[in-house]
Amino acid sequence: AQSVTQLGSHVSVSEGALVLLRCNYSSSVPPYLFWYVQYPNQGLQLLLKYTSAATLVKGINGFEAEFKKSETSFHLTKPSAHMSDAAEYFCAVRGQAGTALIFGKGTTLSVSS
Amino acid sequence: SQTIHQWPATLVQPVGSPLSLECTVEGTSNPNLYWYRQAAGRGLQLLFYSVGIGQISSEVPQNLSASRPQDRQFILSSKKLLLSDSGFYLCAWSVGAGAHEKLFFGSGTQLSVL
Repeated sequence: AQSVTQLGSHVSVSEGALVLLRCNYSSSVPPYLFWYVQYPNQGLQLLLKYTSAATLVKGINGFEAEFKKSETSFHLTKPSAHMSDAAEYFCAVRGQAGTALIFGKGTTLSVSS
Repeated sequence: SQTIHQWPATLVQPVGSPLSLECTVEGTSNPNLYWYRQAAGRGLQLLFYSVGIGQISSEVPQNLSASRPQDRQFILSSKKLLLSDSGFYLCAWSVGAGAHEKLFFGSGTQLSVL
């Protein structure tokens, strides 16, 4: 079975500071890993995904994530936070093809000026 | 282009009343369809997914049910709502397989059970 754990339900950073959102996964098969973002009153949008092609994955809006098998982690980072990055972020995992995405509980990112 | 429609956007229902949320997808055929629930403090919980007409997989035991009467239609139902059914319900669809599969979400339904 697959699962993800997002460490920290709330993260607060200052504008211009590094953003680090943590995600650890558990999977019995090589996983596909995803980060989604949900802006207030909107649905979810895909930020980036890992599909074994490269361990460092670049996504939209300057976000990137690195797959580390030894640490079973897929942390999301952005070098410099913008006010517009304030949103809820979800890490997700899929194991075998044809199975559904399993989401973490989410991390709310707050950005202060 | 593909689009997903989910309605209603908001719904207030009394405890014990029935529920029907509908989701339709346009512009694609044979999509995988999903219902997720987002409850406060619990993140996104997979409720049901379907890989074809009449094929429904349930992830958690509950008083909700899902049906897929047509290829691009997915319905979430309940005969009697509970207070704990309150939450934000998201329909999603995907097409493709493995590394090429992409998941797209609807705009959601905010359900309040009073």
